[in-house]
Amino acid sequence: GAVVSQHPSWVICKSGTSVKIECRSLDFQATTMFWYRQFPKQSLMLMATSNEGSKATYEQGVEKDKFLINHASLTLSTLTVTSAHPEDSSFYICSAPPVAFFGQGTRLTVV
Amino acid sequence: GENVEQHPSTLSVQEGDSAVIKCTYSDSASNYFPWYKQELGKRPQLIIDIRSNVGEKKDQRIAVTLNKTAKHFSLHITETQPEDSAVYFCAASPGPGYALNFGKGTSLLVTP
Repeated sequence: GAVVSQHPSWVICKSGTSVKIECRSLDFQATTMFWYRQFPKQSLMLMATSNEGSKATYEQGVEKDKFLINHASLTLSTLTVTSAHPEDSSFYICSAPPVAFFGQGTRLTVV
Repeated sequence: GENVEQHPSTLSVQEGDSAVIKCTYSDSASNYFPWYKQELGKRPQLIIDIRSNVGEKKDQRIAVTLNKTAKHFSLHITETQPEDSAVYFCAASPGPGYALNFGKGTSLLVTP
């Protein structure tokens, strides 16, 4: 039980385009989901907390207009990277309490 | 906010030896301390966790100790095997349902 599924697992996009990443809780309901970002050879850093039915809360330094989060149902949260640039290339990964497991992660490469 | 320090950043051991990774945290409100193993290109996998009401927890070759007074916790891997080679992250949070603050990671290499 307690599986978190993330899609896609990898994506390559052109600079200036937008990319949507989905995070689903498969067998439980998640009113909260966490989005982390991991740059190469670095640790995971919390980007934002997604709250079902309300606005996401963003960590300091994370642009809320660039990283749009929507948590429209109890099993799905989406992260949209808008107007992506090469510096946004990273590993994006979600988790959903009450468990400390992560989704598969999405490797974003912006060219 | 919480600050988690992790040492060492790299660790090389011979197969069969033990490996110890240490972490310290700053926020006394932290009560949950998971450890993750991340292989190249993959998601972090939870390998063991400990809560503040427990001083030690063991699962086969892996053990975690917690000293809440000193605000430090450690991962111990015994009888290391080459497949233990990976990056290990410690983390801290008020509980399993909260966002995690991660250490910077330890790259463990187990040589045959």
